Amino acid sequence: NAGVTQTPKFRVLKTGQSMTLLCAQDMNHEYMYWYRQDPGMGLRLIHYSVGEGTTAKGEVPDGYNVSRLKKQNFLLGLESAAPSQTSVYFCASSYSSRRTDYGYTFGSGTRLTVV
Amino acid sequence: QQQVKQSPQSLIVQKGGISIINCAYENTAFDYFPWYQQFPGKGPALLIAIRPDVSEKKEGRFTISFNKSAKQFSLHIMDSQPGDSATYFCAARTTFITQGGSEKLVFGKGTKLTVNP
Repeated sequence: NAGVTQTPKFRVLKTGQSMTLLCAQDMNHEYMYWYRQDPGMGLRLIHYSVGEGTTAKGEVPDGYNVSRLKKQNFLLGLESAAPSQTSVYFCASSYSSRRTDYGYTFGSGTRLTVV
Repeated sequence: QQQVKQSPQSLIVQKGGISIINCAYENTAFDYFPWYQQFPGKGPALLIAIRPDVSEKKEGRFTISFNKSAKQFSLHIMDSQPGDSATYFCAARTTFITQGGSEKLVFGKGTKLTVNP
């Protein structure tokens, strides 16, 4: 099925370890986003990308890095995991707003626990 | 200015009742207002959306009411069903193009809806 695929679905990290979350979309969307979801905090934007090779900081970028080497993939990296990064991470993608079928498509999430 | 304030945080409704979730914003540059529905363990999914030149949009049991002068919009779920139990997020898109030209959605903090049978 077409959509946004996130891997892995679950992960437990020790403090100080690093990891990369992968997001892949097959809808030819220009824009891609990484959000984190915490209880009572809603969805907070970490980083986003408006096209291949471009990235920008969102609301809560500290401790994360991203790369978009291919249009269909958007990677989120944690260089040195901290317990404060325990969260559920969602990737989303969209066309540009000029299209009438504009809207975000979300992946099913990655539940990350840092101990 | 970039915030969207959503209320209530949680809502309990009886089956067949009307669920109402409200959102307010300050930024008059917002030009698109979607609602997302999220079931436990799933990602949010677009439910319904409205643009500010329309005061109401209805899709089945779901209706968005939009008040441009008050800078408020709300989601009404008629004849609420237990299957509607989920977390609902309102959002707004900014038209201000920064950092390479991205229009971004700003999300409310969510409302957990429980519909009792």
